[in-house]
Amino acid sequence: GAVVSQHPSWVICKSGTSVKIECRSLDFQATTMFWYRQFPKQSLMLMATSNEGSKATYEQGVEKDKFLINHASLTLSTLTVTSAHPEDSSFYICSARSPGGEQFFGPGTRLTVL
Amino acid sequence: GENVEQHPSTLSVQEGDSAVIKCTYSDSASNYFPWYKQELGKRPQLIIDIRSNVGEKKDQRIAVTLNKTAKHFSLHITETQPEDSAVYFCAASMEAGTALIFGKGTTLSVSS
Repeated sequence: GAVVSQHPSWVICKSGTSVKIECRSLDFQATTMFWYRQFPKQSLMLMATSNEGSKATYEQGVEKDKFLINHASLTLSTLTVTSAHPEDSSFYICSARSPGGEQFFGPGTRLTVL
Repeated sequence: GENVEQHPSTLSVQEGDSAVIKCTYSDSASNYFPWYKQELGKRPQLIIDIRSNVGEKKDQRIAVTLNKTAKHFSLHITETQPEDSAVYFCAASMEAGTALIFGKGTTLSVSS
């Protein structure tokens, strides 16, 4: 099946720094990718829809200036958490829509902000 | 927007028993309802899905039913095994490949 990767798999950073997470579709082109956030023992919450070549669409309550999304190519979307704080610590998971319409999830990135 | 409710939050069964997880959704425009299994620290894995033009779908020990009028769908696992223990999420979206709204999850524990 289709493969979606994320990098890094985990990251620890100091409060106030910015962190970039990459989501790549390895064997298909994805015009649309999605970013989800999952706090411990909670559900996946949709943060934004990332569209190649255009601005991301953010869900209500998600600050677009804090969570910068760039989808510059058909195989790569990046999420940058700017000025990260401890409350941003979470599991960030991306997914990519294949040309066939299926959605494949990445392995997730665990962010810990000290 | 769409809202998905999932029950129960935890479910403990004996090996060999059946397990049923139920979800309701609010947006009648939703047409795609997948179920995911997630093990700790790993990505969600699609185990079965159903589209709004179908009432039931089966895949070996797993089945999903959909009542579009009542806006609810259920996951049925028969002959449960310890390796079925995980967190299960239901989700809803307009169509396959579009943004998913997830339920809160059900932690299934199967004891041998």
